[in-house]
Amino acid sequence: AQKITQTQPGMFVQEKEAVTLDCTYDTSDQSYGLFWYKQPSSGEMIFLIYQGSYDEQNATEGRYSLNFQKARKSANLVISASQLGDSAMYFCAMSAGGSQGNLIFGKGTKLSVKP
Amino acid sequence: DSGVTQTPKHLITATGQRVTLRCSPRSGDLSVYWYQQSLDQGLQFLIQYYNGEERAKGNILERFSAQQFPDLHSELNLSSLELGDSALYFCASSVVGSTYNEQFFGPGTRLTVL
Repeated sequence: AQKITQTQPGMFVQEKEAVTLDCTYDTSDQSYGLFWYKQPSSGEMIFLIYQGSYDEQNATEGRYSLNFQKARKSANLVISASQLGDSAMYFCAMSAGGSQGNLIFGKGTKLSVKP
Repeated sequence: DSGVTQTPKHLITATGQRVTLRCSPRSGDLSVYWYQQSLDQGLQFLIQYYNGEERAKGNILERFSAQQFPDLHSELNLSSLELGDSALYFCASSVVGSTYNEQFFGPGTRLTVL
C-alpha cells in the first residue's frame, strides 16, 4: 500500500533562513507523482511544487525546491529565505498510479517562522 | 485563487440531515476529486470523477454519494449525517486526472454537524 510519512509534527525557522521539511514515501509503483501543498490557518490548500518519478532534475518553483532522492524514497521540501507568511501546515502527497491520480497525504508539518 | 469554487463555505446542520456540497472545477479541467479533512483522519480521498464518469473511489461511506454533471461541476451528497462527519470537505480539479497532473484545490466547505 502507498504511504506518505512526515516525521516532523512542528518546525521553527528564523525569518530569512532556509528550512527543510522531510517527507518519505512508500510505493511499489514505478510511475508516481510527488506534491507539496501549503495550508495556512485560513484553511485553503495551496499547490506548491510537483515532482514526477521519472524527472531526473529536482523541481524548483521560486523559493521552493524539492529534494528528490528516489533510491531513499524521499521528497523533502526546501524553502529558502523564509518569510513570516510561510507559517502554515505543509503537506506532502503522492499520486496513485495509473490513470487515477488521487492523492495520498501525509499528516503534515506545522512550520512557524520567527521574526 | 486556484480557480476552483466551492459552495457553501460553511454549513451547520443536525444529525440525521442531508446536505449537498457543490464544486466547480477550473476552466478546462475534466477531473474532479473530493477529499475530507478531519482532525483524527487527516486528509482522505473520497471519490474522483472524470468527464462525468466515476473513476476512482477511496474511503467514501455508503451514506455519501457524488456525481459530475455535463457542465463538469460536481456535487457531493452527505446523508444521515453523524457528529463524526464534521470536517472540511475539499474539491480539487485537474486537467486529465492521471498520476502526473497537479490538483488544484477549492477553498473547502466546513461542515459542522450538531
